[in-house]
This record gives sequence, C-alpha cells and structure tokens, in this order.
Amino acid sequence: GENVEQHPSTLSVQEGDSAVIKCTYSDSASNYFPWYKQELGKGPQLIIDIRSNVGEKKDQRIAVTLNKTAKHFSLHITETQPEDSAVYFCAASNPYSGGGADGLTFGKGTHLIIQP
Amino acid sequence: EPEVTQTPSHQVTQMGQEVILRCVPISNHLYFYWYRQILGQKVEFLVSFYNNEISEKSEIFDDQFSVERPDGSNFTLKIRSTKLEDSAMYFCASNEWGGRETQYFGPGTRLLVL
Repeated sequence: GENVEQHPSTLSVQEGDSAVIKCTYSDSASNYFPWYKQELGKGPQLIIDIRSNVGEKKDQRIAVTLNKTAKHFSLHITETQPEDSAVYFCAASNPYSGGGADGLTFGKGTHLIIQP
Repeated sequence: EPEVTQTPSHQVTQMGQEVILRCVPISNHLYFYWYRQILGQKVEFLVSFYNNEISEKSEIFDDQFSVERPDGSNFTLKIRSTKLEDSAMYFCASNEWGGRETQYFGPGTRLLVL
C-alpha cells in the first residue's frame, strides 16, 4: 500500500518568512495529493491540492509542487502570518485502488510555528 | 457553506461497550469516509462507503467496526466492543465524486475508552 513520509515534524519560522514542508510517497500510481491544515480541536481543512497532470499550483500565498519522477511534493507558504500556525498534513491517493471511493494516506504532520 | 457535521463531539465509554458515532455528510455527496487520529499521530483511513456498501477498508477496520447509512442523511460508525486503544479522534468525510476530489472533513468525535 501507499506510504507517505513528511518532513519536518516541527518547523518554526519568523513571521513574514517562507515555510516549506516536504512529502514523499511510495505508490507510483497515486495521482492526487491534497494538503490539509488542522487547527487545535478541529478537523482537517483542505488548503490546496494537486493532481498528477500538473507540476505546480498556486493560490495566493500557498503553492504546491509535484515531482512525479522523484515521487515527492512540497507545500510552500510565503509571507507567513500568525494565523498560519497549525499542523499541516500532506496526503496521497490512488483513485483506482478502491473502486473510486479512495481513502487518503496521510503523512505524520508538520507543526508549523510562526514566531512574531 | 455546507459542511460535514458529527455528533457527539465527545464520548466517554467503558471498555467492552458499544459506541455509535454519527455523521451527517454534505447533502449532495455520494462518497463517505471514516478516519481516526490517535492523539499526536497522523490521520489514518478506516473505511469508505458508496452506494450503500463498503468500497474500501484498511487493516484497522476489523470485525469490531461497522458502518451504516440508516437513512438519507446519516452515516454511522459502530464499534461493537471498545478497547482502550480505540481512544482517538474519529473524523467523518464526504465528497461528491470520490476519486481525485476534495474530501471535506467534519470536526470529529473525541472517543475516550476507560
């Protein structure tokens, strides 16, 4: 089955600086890669996703890059703000493994801390 | 904006007891999921459900777990005989088309087994 590794486990950056979180996956058939933000006591909320037919996607201060050959993808947050502090999870799925209703395989999460 | 809701928000139970966790997916969604997150660990997939049957399940989803869509709006996870290690946050998620589409997560039910 799929295995997703995520680094770092904790990331502390100064407000206004950029943050980068990296993930690798093992199943070359995976072709959907979402990123979720989880605030304390809440469920994961999608912030951006990428499908394997593109290499990069951007939404304001957030961008995701995908390297299918190397099987890794990264989340980039620019101009970080205090409200960006949260746990971020990457995930991967292969839509052809589960008859269409595919469970996501998550990374272990990155606790992002924005220092004022 | 429509959202997934879950009840209860917290549940405390004795080991060996049965619990039912309830979810109301977004109304036009057809694919439903349960995940769990043990404190401080990653979110783990349990089961997916489509067209009134299980579509995929993980190794965690053993015989003590079951899911049901008892009516047109609810989606439930039943744990027949809870164990201490079932203590976790349980998240329900749903989406419209399955596959490579965003899964929308509910706020979770925190289950504590004593």
